[in-house]
Amino acid sequence: EIVMTQSPATLSVSPGERATLSCRASQSVSSNLAWYQQKPGQAPRLLIYGASTRATGIPARFSGSGSGTEFTLTISSLQSEDFAVYYCQQYNNWPQFGGGTKVEIK
Amino acid sequence: QVQLVQSGAEVKKPGASVKVSCKASGYTFTSYGISWVRQAPGQGLEWMGWISAYNGNTNYAQKLQGRVTMTTDTSTSTAYMELRSLRSDDTAVYYCARDSIAAAGPDDYWGQGTLVTVSS
Repeated sequence: EIVMTQSPATLSVSPGERATLSCRASQSVSSNLAWYQQKPGQAPRLLIYGASTRATGIPARFSGSGSGTEFTLTISSLQSEDFAVYYCQQYNNWPQFGGGTKVEIK
Repeated sequence: QVQLVQSGAEVKKPGASVKVSCKASGYTFTSYGISWVRQAPGQGLEWMGWISAYNGNTNYAQKLQGRVTMTTDTSTSTAYMELRSLRSDDTAVYYCARDSIAAAGPDDYWGQGTLVTVSS
């Protein structure tokens, strides 16, 4: 089983600042990686797939990078609506989610 | 517009079974798959499995093998997830999500979630 590790667990950021979230796979998942955003009481929302392709309707301030075992989600300038929990998911084999990173207001 | 509407909350006793439905609209049901994901209270997301609405092929998470069955009814564009031998740690919100036709992948549309509570 591929283990997905996200860091940090919590990220405190001021509005307007950049946020950088990391996701590491225990073995290569190629570019078969997605990022989701989840707000309290809501279903997850797909942000990024294929490691770097934004899903339909996702603002350009969200970008993804990486391949193999190391991935990054960057939010270039945090807006109030971006404070949420973010999950990475590998779908190279037997899909697996990371534990999540909570982005909170500093 | 694409919508996935799930059945309502359930309360079950340990050892019982639950069957959650997910009715799709706004797209060609048989051109996609459906994944099921659950989330225990205050916890992260757990992938449960995937089914192709095209041919019924399934792929289940290893820890749920033998307890979970996913099916589809193409006549009503509805997917179902049945979980048997329920335990207290199966208490969670269960989500269905639209997925790839060929294999589990990124999920672009999600249902609203169904809370399943397992309690004696």
